[in-house]
Amino acid sequence: AQSVTQLGSHVSVSEGALVLLRCNYSSSVPPYLFWYVQYPNQGLQLLLKYTTGATLVKGINGFEAEFKKSETSFHLTKPSAHMSDAAEYFCAVSDRGNQGGKLIFGQGTELSVKP
Amino acid sequence: NAGVTQTPKFRVLKTGQSMTLLCAQDMNHEYMYWYRQDPGMGLRLIHYSVGEGTTAKGEVPDGYNVSRLKKQNFLLGLESAAPSQTSVYFCASSYSGLLTGELFFGEGSRLTVL
Repeated sequence: AQSVTQLGSHVSVSEGALVLLRCNYSSSVPPYLFWYVQYPNQGLQLLLKYTTGATLVKGINGFEAEFKKSETSFHLTKPSAHMSDAAEYFCAVSDRGNQGGKLIFGQGTELSVKP
Repeated sequence: NAGVTQTPKFRVLKTGQSMTLLCAQDMNHEYMYWYRQDPGMGLRLIHYSVGEGTTAKGEVPDGYNVSRLKKQNFLLGLESAAPSQTSVYFCASSYSGLLTGELFFGEGSRLTVL
């Protein structure tokens, strides 16, 4: 069965500092991997995804993530945090044989950005 | 662009009452999903549909029923609400469930069961 683990339910950084949100997955087949962001009182929106090809993927708002098969990881980074990045971030996995397009989500990591 | 619209956005129920959450999407998506979000547990899939007239169980289907009579609508029903069903419910839709996995989410429906 697939699963996703996000290390750290809450991460706090200073404005301008590096953002690193960790995600590890387990899957018996090569997965599709996603990061979603949820701003307060809103639904989730896609930040970026890895399906095939280049293992370093770039998303919106300056975020990027690298798929590392050997480490079963898909960590999310941003070189310089902005106050507007404060939100909850969810890592998700879907396997390639998944007929229903179902995503398995991690527990979420709340990012706080201090001025 | 409306995208995915959920109604109602807030509801308070007493234990044992029934209610229906409505999800409507205007993107002609085949796939639709109902998730619940609880603190520290992320999103868990309740039921989903891969097309009009079809539904399937997700991770946590007990206590819920769904219907997809029209392609654009996906209804989530609670026949006899329980306090454990207090949660934020999100509907999502997807054009292609297999290839891209990108889900488009509604803004959520916050349900409290007393």
